[in-house]
Amino acid sequence: GENVEQHPSTLSVQEGDSAVIKCTYSDSASNYFPWYKQELGKGPQLIIDIRSNVGEKKDQRIAVTLNKTAKHFSLHITETQPEDSAVYFCAASRISGSARQLTFGSGTQLTVLP
Amino acid sequence: DAGITQSPRHKVTETGTPVTLRCHQTENHRYMYWYRQDPGHGLRLIHYSYGVKDTDKGEVSDGYSVSRSKTEDFLLTLESATSSQTSVYFCAISESALGLAEYEQYFGPGTRLTVT
Repeated sequence: GENVEQHPSTLSVQEGDSAVIKCTYSDSASNYFPWYKQELGKGPQLIIDIRSNVGEKKDQRIAVTLNKTAKHFSLHITETQPEDSAVYFCAASRISGSARQLTFGSGTQLTVLP
Repeated sequence: DAGITQSPRHKVTETGTPVTLRCHQTENHRYMYWYRQDPGHGLRLIHYSYGVKDTDKGEVSDGYSVSRSKTEDFLLTLESATSSQTSVYFCAISESALGLAEYEQYFGPGTRLTVT
């Protein structure tokens, strides 16, 4: 099956600085890579995603890059703000059985220091 | 939370008792999923449904069963709860899975289950 590794597990940055979270995956059949933000006591919220036919995608201060050859993808947050503090999860998605299944990384606790 | 509710939101139960968690959606999405979240493990898929009465196992299905009798409801049952099933359980929904259709998964607010 798929295996997704995520680094770092914790990340502290000063407000206004950039934050980068990296993930690797193992199954070349994975072709969709979402990123989720989870605030304390809430469910994961989809913040950005990328499909395997695209190398980079941006949405305001958030960008994701994908390197299919190396099987890694990254989340970039620029001009960080205190409200960006949360746990971030990467995931890799492929068709398995009768549905599209997500395999998640173990998460990154991002703290933005004021 | 994309029209997804989970009930109960919190539950404490004793080892050996049956427990049923409910996921209800108002989006009329075909696919529904149950995940568990544990520290250091991210989210892991327990079971999923690809239509009414159509279900299949995920990565960590042992000790769990599911049922889907209506499009909007997906039930997760722990037949005899164990302490290792103490976790936070999330339901997710997806409109599609194949081709170019939308297949993003959206998550509910979660149920915190404690088995003592």
